[in-house]
Amino acid sequence: EVQLVQSGAEVRKPGEPLKISCKVSGYSFSTYWIAWVRQTPGKGLEWMGIIYPGDSDTRYSPSFLGQVTISADKSISTAYLQWSSLKASDTAIYYCARQWGSTWFDYWGQGTLITVSS
Amino acid sequence: EIVMTQSPATLSVSPGERATLSCRASQSISSNLAWYQQSPGQAPRLLISGASTRATGIPARFSGSGSGTDFTLTISSLQSEDFAIYYCQQYDDWPPRFGQGTKVEIK
Repeated sequence: EVQLVQSGAEVRKPGEPLKISCKVSGYSFSTYWIAWVRQTPGKGLEWMGIIYPGDSDTRYSPSFLGQVTISADKSISTAYLQWSSLKASDTAIYYCARQWGSTWFDYWGQGTLITVSS
Repeated sequence: EIVMTQSPATLSVSPGERATLSCRASQSISSNLAWYQQSPGQAPRLLISGASTRATGIPARFSGSGSGTDFTLTISSLQSEDFAIYYCQQYDDWPPRFGQGTKVEIK
């Protein structure tokens, strides 16, 4: 069974760093792209970027380039999304999802709620 | 940039009735469209890819149609678990983009 299990909800202050995770099981982690998708009430679902764990090829949406870093550790089948300095506007639910190349998302994590507030 | 517009924003339907949801692309995307269902507190779930191909395990009451700029998701007979928000997503252009969603609520 394919599963993407994300780390738990976080509460942080503006300016703090954060790294959230997405652990994959049930398929070969290295051979499918993993995407990160942000969900907010105002902007809905937004594709942030994608990584191919096999060679760490990473691509970002122009809206998120320079704002976040996507990485992966093949040895533990885990993808990561990190911020060096959070803003209040980063408050959202973040999903990891398996993406078929540059197409659709067939499996999703349960989501990680990030709250950034002073 | 391709903009995806879904209508209506909210659809009120009685259980057992048919629901028809629309998704329009600002330019042609061929059949490069997916549909997702999101129930409260849950992650989105893939329903349809390639505009009309049901994903594994998706009931036959869900069907997708259309190509170019106009697409439709039809739920033939609404069950209680189908009351949710539905999103379309284009993958013809990079980055992939989602519509704003249609909420299907109980009438």
